[in-house]
Amino acid sequence: KAGVTQTPRYLIKTRGQQVTLSCSPISGHRSVSWYQQTPGQGLQFLFEYFSETQRNKGNFPGRFSGRQFSNSRSEMNVSTLELGDSALYLCASSSDQRITDTQYFGPGTRLTVL
Amino acid sequence: DQQVKQNSPSLSVQEGRISILNCDYTNSMFDYFLWYKKYPAEGPTFLISISSIKDKNEDGRFTVFLNKSAKHLSLHIVPSQPGDSAVYFCAASAFPTGTYKYIFGTGTRLKVLA
Repeated sequence: KAGVTQTPRYLIKTRGQQVTLSCSPISGHRSVSWYQQTPGQGLQFLFEYFSETQRNKGNFPGRFSGRQFSNSRSEMNVSTLELGDSALYLCASSSDQRITDTQYFGPGTRLTVL
Repeated sequence: DQQVKQNSPSLSVQEGRISILNCDYTNSMFDYFLWYKKYPAEGPTFLISISSIKDKNEDGRFTVFLNKSAKHLSLHIVPSQPGDSAVYFCAASAFPTGTYKYIFGTGTRLKVLA
């Protein structure tokens, strides 16, 4: 089975621009979660989608948004980029909504904001 | 407010010895805990988990211990191998799901010396 894939792997943007990141979950997985990883902050939860619906949301400003398509692929959008948005963005998929389901992570998208 | 804390940012251990990674949490509602391992340029990989109804779970060289009264969990790696050198994240969750699916600690960088 193919793992979680994320595109692009690296991205450089300037302040004020917007960016869209893509995540394709493991085949058959319906839950997709997004995390931001910055040095010293660990993995901060952004949001989770299940069957095209946002089910959970972390404490991030409204500039961060996402969506999930009928094939479970998910996109994350960040508008009006700030320098502090530079981070590794990880997505993870799991099979269903049971909390004990293991999340499988993609390799991440490294976003640099100049 | 960091609900899951890994107070040691780094740890060095000799090959063949035991590695002990620690994690503390503050939310008594957490009832499921996981450890992930992360190599550079890769997404986190699931290692081992434990439910709050247990105090120990073992998988090969990896054992996780949970002390609910102390709100503390630890990961033991015996014997440690150079390939274990990575960043280790602990994560916690509550069922039913609250605002977050998993809350991650900030990570501990383990270096196993040959």
